Amino acid sequence: SQTIHQWPATLVQPVGSPLSLECTVEGTSNPNLYWYRQAAGRGLQLLFYSVGIGQISSEVPQNLSASRPQDRQFILSSKKLLLSDSGFYLCAWSEGQMLGSRFGPGTRLTVT
Amino acid sequence: AQSVTQLGSHVSVSEGALVLLRCNYSSSVPPYLFWYVQYPNQGLQLLLKYTSAATLVKGINGFEAEFKKSETSFHLTKPSAHMSDAAEYFCAVSRGSFGNEKLTFGTGTRLTIIP
Repeated sequence: SQTIHQWPATLVQPVGSPLSLECTVEGTSNPNLYWYRQAAGRGLQLLFYSVGIGQISSEVPQNLSASRPQDRQFILSSKKLLLSDSGFYLCAWSEGQMLGSRFGPGTRLTVT
Repeated sequence: AQSVTQLGSHVSVSEGALVLLRCNYSSSVPPYLFWYVQYPNQGLQLLLKYTSAATLVKGINGFEAEFKKSETSFHLTKPSAHMSDAAEYFCAVSRGSFGNEKLTFGTGTRLTIIP
């Protein structure tokens, strides 16, 4: 069966510091991968999606970037965090024969 | 552009009573629609999905939803609420294709169960 992991589970970072969140999926090949953010007042919003290694599409302009160095690994990064980057970050995956993205447990990011 | 609207940010029902959570969609093409549930500090769990195969969709935990094109609605129901149903529920529509989903979510409905 497929599983999705995210780490860390929680993170507290000062403004201006870098960020790296990681997501990995097990039990499937060539999944579509997504980063969503859940933030107060902004709901659940798609940030990035990837259909393959090195292929990243951004949905909204922001202070963040994403990378997919391996088939089942998706990384969310920032060079300098802003207060507005605080939120709950959710990674998700889907594949061609399946309808309904599956979500990871999330990372709670607090920027201080 | 596709969107969903959830009416009622908070809904309270008594244990054993009917649960009804409302979702209306806007889409220029036949949509893929979903309901997800989120428990505190956890990720989202897929409850059910509409793919046009049947208008009444049954999901996990006794939930079901009916797709009504004439009303552009996809309301979530459960005949008898249980304390464990207390959570936040999100309706979503897919802007992508089958297997390549870019979900647009509603603002969510927090369900409280009264003992």
